[in-house]
This record gives sequence, structure tokens and C-alpha cells, in this order.
Amino acid sequence: EVQLVESGGGLLKPGGSLRLSCAASGFTFRDAWMSWVRQAPGKGLEWLGRIKRKTDSGPTDYAAPVKGRFTISRDDSKNTLYLQMNSLKTEDTAVYYCAWYYYSYMDVWGKGTTVTVSS
Amino acid sequence: QSVLTQPPSVSAAPGQKVTISCSGSSSNIGNNYVSWYQHLPGTAPKVLIYDNNKRPSGIPDRFSGSKSGTSATLGITGLQTGDEADYYCGTWDSSLSAWVFGGGTKLTVL
Repeated sequence: EVQLVESGGGLLKPGGSLRLSCAASGFTFRDAWMSWVRQAPGKGLEWLGRIKRKTDSGPTDYAAPVKGRFTISRDDSKNTLYLQMNSLKTEDTAVYYCAWYYYSYMDVWGKGTTVTVSS
Repeated sequence: QSVLTQPPSVSAAPGQKVTISCSGSSSNIGNNYVSWYQHLPGTAPKVLIYDNNKRPSGIPDRFSGSKSGTSATLGITGLQTGDEADYYCGTWDSSLSAWVFGGGTKLTVL
């Protein structure tokens, strides 16, 4: 069974940093492009970025609101995707999802992990 | 303000049909595949339609997708109370070099 499980969410103060993880199973992770998406309270889905497989050329893509603050990385030996979030703001409060970006759409999603940024 | 425009809400009675529109531009819908997602709060979003009109295995044929020019439409027939959810369209935007979602449409089955 294809599965994605996010972890690492929590409560932190503005200006803080946090790293989220996404453990993948049931598919060949090293061949997969992966994305992070979030949903703030009362808002819609917001794409954050995507990382290609190592054998594909080109940079990791990011959404404008998080470029320079968030970094997506992967450890194919651990079948794990990461989202490093720095200089967190209250508006970063959201449920964060990872998703398998399969060619032209997001095929499988995790159930999400909640990040709350509050003073 | 989302790059893709969806109606905030739609409603219909059980057994009826509903359509949800998604309007974009040539840099996104006009030149890229559209996919549709169903999302119940607290759960993982689920893809219903990909590549404009294809259904993943396990998605009933009550769900359909179409695209014309810079707009796309999700259709749901034989509405069930279990279809109550938020629905999002999404596609790649070649100008932004970013994935974009519509603002989401809340479906109420009366």
C-alpha cells in the first residue's frame, strides 16, 4: 500500500524554525517527485514546493510566499522527504501535507501534520 | 486571491448533478493538465480527476472532468451525502513556475 506519513508538527513562537518529515512507503521513493502543500485555518490548499528525483535536472521549485524561508530536501536512503521552515510567522499556521507529485498531478497525499505559530 | 477561480459553494439535492467550474489563463489551464481533488477537513486530500478527464482506479464514474480553453469543469452525478466536501482544481502555471490551486468549492448535498 502506498503511504505517506507526516510528522514533526508542533507549537512554536514567531521567528522559530521547524523541520517536518514525510515517511514514504509502498512505492519507489527515489524515483518520485514530491511536493508539500498546506492548508491554513479556514483557507484553501496552498502549494509550497516540489523536489525532483536526483536523476532529473533542474532546481527545486518553491511558491513565492515561502521561497527563501522554506527548504525542501530528501533522503532517499531513508525514503523520507523534509520541509525545513525558518523565520516562521503566525500566518504559517496550517496543516502541512506531503504528496507524491506524479507527472502532472498529486497522486497520493499524507494525512498532514499541524504547525501552530503563536506568541 | 487564487490564480484559478472557483465558485465558493455549490449545492444540490441527493441524486442530482452538480458542476464546479475552474477558470484560469493560458499560462496554466490553457497549456497544462488539470486535476481535481476532494478534501474533507482532517483527512488526506484525494485526487478525483487527473489529466483533465481521467479517473484514478477506484474513483466512480459519477465523477467526470472536462477542459475547454482556459476553463475546466468537474461534474458529479448521482449526488450522495458522502460527497459533501471541499473540491479543488489544480494545475501547473508555466509563467509562475509553480503549481496553483483554485480557491476551493464547498459542496453541500441538501
